Amino acid sequence: NAGVTQTPKFRVLKTGQSMTLLCAQDMNHEYMYWYRQDPGMGLRLIHYSVGEGTTAKGEVPDGYNVSRLKKQNFLLGLESAAPSQTSVYFCASSYSNRVGDEQYFGPGTRLTVT
Amino acid sequence: AQSVAQPEDQVNVAEGNPLTVKCTYSVSGNPYLFWYVQYPNRGLQFLLKYITGDNLVKGSYGFEAEFNKSQTSFHLKKPSALVSDSALYFCAVRDIGGSQGNLIFGKGTKLSVKP
Repeated sequence: NAGVTQTPKFRVLKTGQSMTLLCAQDMNHEYMYWYRQDPGMGLRLIHYSVGEGTTAKGEVPDGYNVSRLKKQNFLLGLESAAPSQTSVYFCASSYSNRVGDEQYFGPGTRLTVT
Repeated sequence: AQSVAQPEDQVNVAEGNPLTVKCTYSVSGNPYLFWYVQYPNRGLQFLLKYITGDNLVKGSYGFEAEFNKSQTSFHLKKPSALVSDSALYFCAVRDIGGSQGNLIFGKGTKLSVKP
């Protein structure tokens, strides 16, 4: 049982390049989330999904797109990377959004945009 | 709107001493509160949560948290700190009534435990 995994762990992009971050979970969770973590700003929600085939915007969605074609996978895309997107990206999942359900986090992807 | 605040960017404690990491919240309705820990270069790990019931909640690794409704606080505590407790700690609140009930995280508090 691997939990939540993220690919890749590190990536360096040049401004304007595109990339996709992959998140996979093997816990049969309905809900999945993408966060970014920046120093002094905590975690901010980018996009989330409440089930296969659904996506929704979070707090900071601009510049990102997501897809949830399979229940176990949640992809985060950057179409044209900008230096402001340099951050650590975390994926998380949860069984539901019931008040007591905790989220399970992946190990993170450190992205640098030059 | 729901929110949490972690008033201290960093907390320094000597090993063996008690530690407290502070969190205050602002919610409309009942608060549903969580603590997570992030060790260096790792993802967040769930520590404990308050949903209802006893005001003192016990969690992983010997941590506990005290819910105080009158002070709107949910402080994380441990009676005797270990060097291995050094990490980044996040308080979070469930956003009831908005954004599908997602979690809203505080900015984090860095805990440093010195030998």
